[in-house]
Amino acid sequence: RKEVEQDPGPFNVPEGATVAFNCTYSNSASQSFFWYRQDCRKEPKLLMSVYSSGNEDGRFTAQLNRASQYISLLIRDSKLSDSATYLCVVNDLRGDTGFQKLVFGTGTRLLVSP
Amino acid sequence: GAVVSQHPSWVICKSGTSVKIECRSLDFQATTMFWYRQFPKQSLMLMATSNEGSKATYEQGVEKDKFLINHASLTLSTLTVTSAHPEDSSFYICSARDHFRDRGRETQYFGPGTRLLVL
Repeated sequence: RKEVEQDPGPFNVPEGATVAFNCTYSNSASQSFFWYRQDCRKEPKLLMSVYSSGNEDGRFTAQLNRASQYISLLIRDSKLSDSATYLCVVNDLRGDTGFQKLVFGTGTRLLVSP
Repeated sequence: GAVVSQHPSWVICKSGTSVKIECRSLDFQATTMFWYRQFPKQSLMLMATSNEGSKATYEQGVEKDKFLINHASLTLSTLTVTSAHPEDSSFYICSARDHFRDRGRETQYFGPGTRLLVL
């Protein structure tokens, strides 16, 4: 089982639509959670952190359910510029070194069309 | 936000040659740097973690003698792919963290990546 699982998509939506992405993670001891955005042939960029209480940043809302080990991202009023791959990322603490390690999902591709 | 640069941005080389990739933190001291690799349509996979002045910690399955990492200063880490082969062709991305500024958080700042093609 993958440590972080996402539906690869693509999700094809019209401008203005609301779209939701889901992600599950396998390590119940994971410490923190993020959504990153990656454009084609570019590095990932942090979109937002995800908290148990849920958090919102403009058109983006992230939710975390620790009991179900489930993370979601909701994008409202989609823009053409939202087209990208959205990566679910979990921060784990390595038992052997004490280092923290980001574990990336394979990403969900979003295509927003006019 | 903090800036991390990588050089070169892309490399094409013959099989058997060694390739060095530099990762620099431009406006902060990177106490920890990470090297990732991403194959097409796959997730970023952590290769190794390096702390300034100490040996890198490699992930399982990553050959430390093939992927040499040097983190000699607080602003520079290098990854050398020794005797590169076509299967090493990938997108290599570094990231850096500033423990002092980001204490209590896990902020990693990513470089723009280096695309390696081995013929």
